[in-house]
Amino acid sequence: GAVVSQHPSRVICKSGTSVKIECRSLDFQATTMFWYRQFPKQSLMLMATSNEGSKATYEQGVEKDKFLINHASLTLSTLTVTSAHPEDSSFYICSASSVYYEQYFGPGTRLTVT
Amino acid sequence: EDKVVQSPLSLVVHEGDTVTLNCSYEVTNFRSLLWYKQEKKAPTFLFMLTSSGIEKKSGRLSSILDKKELFSILNITATQTGDSAVYLCAVASANNAGNMLTFGGGTRLMVKP
Repeated sequence: GAVVSQHPSRVICKSGTSVKIECRSLDFQATTMFWYRQFPKQSLMLMATSNEGSKATYEQGVEKDKFLINHASLTLSTLTVTSAHPEDSSFYICSASSVYYEQYFGPGTRLTVT
Repeated sequence: EDKVVQSPLSLVVHEGDTVTLNCSYEVTNFRSLLWYKQEKKAPTFLFMLTSSGIEKKSGRLSSILDKKELFSILNITATQTGDSAVYLCAVASANNAGNMLTFGGGTRLMVKP
């Protein structure tokens, strides 16, 4: 149990376009979903926390107008990178949590902006 | 389907004890194994292991990888209350879509004074 999927697993887009990444909890209801970005040396940076039906809470330094997060249901959260630029190229990982606060991580999405 | 399993699920010890956390995996096109410590927000990176039998060490923490038996262990000696956290193991692999990370379910460690 506790499977989290992400789609797409890899995306290449042109600079200036927008990209949407989906995060789904497949076999449980996720009241909270987290979005991370992986940096060199394997560190993970928390970008935002989203609770179903409410606005996401963004970490300091993360532009909420650039990284749009929607958590419309208990099994789906989306991250939209708007007007993507090459510096947005990264590995984006989501995790999902039920009320008992155990995070289950998705497999990640590799975004490359050309 | 790639799979990473951590054990035990949770562990309660007293300060000064030594703990060993386990991570076994089944992935295709293995690239590396990563250990993270998660307390509140983002997991903190601890180690990346790519070669069998070479121990990585940082203070009281050490880790080793066995690519033949497909597992890794994370050791913490002389535990302190500050070591209380969830420890995550993740395996990086490559597939047709590129790199991916498969996380284990984590081991929740509680160190009592």
